[in-house]
Amino acid sequence: QSALTQPRSVSGSPGQSVTISCTGTSRDVGGYNYVSWYQQHPGKAPKLLIYDVNRRPSGVPDRFSGSKSGNTASLTISGLQADDEADYYCCSYVGSYTWVFGGGTKLTAL
Amino acid sequence: EVQLLDSGGGLVQPGGSLRLSCVASGFTFSTYAMSWVRQAPGKGLECVSSISGNAGTTSYADSVKGRFTISRDNSKNTLYLQMNSLRAEDAAVYYCVKTLYGGGDYWGQGTLVTVSS
Repeated sequence: QSALTQPRSVSGSPGQSVTISCTGTSRDVGGYNYVSWYQQHPGKAPKLLIYDVNRRPSGVPDRFSGSKSGNTASLTISGLQADDEADYYCCSYVGSYTWVFGGGTKLTAL
Repeated sequence: EVQLLDSGGGLVQPGGSLRLSCVASGFTFSTYAMSWVRQAPGKGLECVSSISGNAGTTSYADSVKGRFTISRDNSKNTLYLQMNSLRAEDAAVYYCVKTLYGGGDYWGQGTLVTVSS
């Protein structure tokens, strides 16, 4: 199973919005509404930001939102804050209790 | 409060074996799928293996198939990963993850596996 494709890096200024894409195929992103997004700060475990494409766990600010169109999912962060600077990973279910991650995107807050 | 305490990592020689454990609390363990996700130094996340709540279904990444075995003891709320024939490329932090179809909602703190002679 090939990894999902994410941009290696994105950047934005405080207060701006940034969007991170995650491109797969009809066998993963396009085939299931089971896309998730994770935030990882250096030295820390990943934290779930979005599940089921666009649902936020309790405690995750509504500045974080997810969407999907065809084989591409997206994470949008609005009102960018300094603490949003981190690595972000997408993940998709591919069937038979198997999941595949994207390669990760480094977000820099300018 | 959900807690996942993973352990068992350490230094092992190439070709050696290790068994990772993850003790879960704060939820009905047998109801949920569980996964092991690893992260090599400076690299991204890889879902190594997953197991259904009743252990009836397991999956493995191609990179570990035939060498790693995932299992669980629902009476002890514990997840395991038996790793055999370890290679240098298996060196990583291994995370235990409570897994839903739509994502992993709780992660352990990670346990470091180092493979070196």
